[in-house]
Amino acid sequence: EVRLVESGGGLVQVGGSRRLSCSASGFSFSGFEMNWVRQAPGKGLEWVSHISSRGTTMLYADSVKGRFTISRDNAKNSLYLQMNSLSAEDTAVYYCARDRLHCDSTSCYFEGMDVWGQGTTVTVSS
Amino acid sequence: SYELTQPPSVSVSPGQTASITCSGDKLGDKYTWWFQQRPGQSPVLVIYQDDRRPSGIPERFSGSNSGNTATLTISGTQAMDDADYYCQAWDSSTGVFGGGTKLTVL
Repeated sequence: EVRLVESGGGLVQVGGSRRLSCSASGFSFSGFEMNWVRQAPGKGLEWVSHISSRGTTMLYADSVKGRFTISRDNAKNSLYLQMNSLSAEDTAVYYCARDRLHCDSTSCYFEGMDVWGQGTTVTVSS
Repeated sequence: SYELTQPPSVSVSPGQTASITCSGDKLGDKYTWWFQQRPGQSPVLVIYQDDRRPSGIPERFSGSNSGNTATLTISGTQAMDDADYYCQAWDSSTGVFGGGTKLTVL
């Protein structure tokens, strides 16, 4: 079974740090791009960060750039999100989602976030 | 920054066709993805690359994208389709989600 399981959420103080993990199983993790997407309470989805299959390219939303760091360990089938300088606005359910990059002779494009984890909740409080 | 705009809510009667729009500047020049999210659950990809349907997604789900607007169409809407729907695109190496549309099947 293809599965993503997030962990590491919890209560964090304003200004604090937290490291989220996402464990993959049932597929060849090293062949997929990965994303973090979050959802604040009662709000919509917000893309947070993306990492290429080999971990060489990282992309970030402006709202987290300079504070969050995405990484992966393909040997451990794991994805991470290191979150620093947390504020109340970072309170959300954080999902990891896989994607695949397809390249042809003219361009590259993502195929879509087709598998999502169940999410882990981060609450930032003073 | 790039923005995708969706109507906050759409209502449809069972068996009828529901259309949910997603607007963005020259959106037709980009690929669009659509996700369904039921209460308390993780999002599910229902349309990818504008109009392609993942395996396991019912044929009543279809998509189109042209000009500044992408559209998710649900034909023969069923009660189980009552959910939030989000469009998504990529712009300048940044992922962007629309604000979401609450589909109510009355």
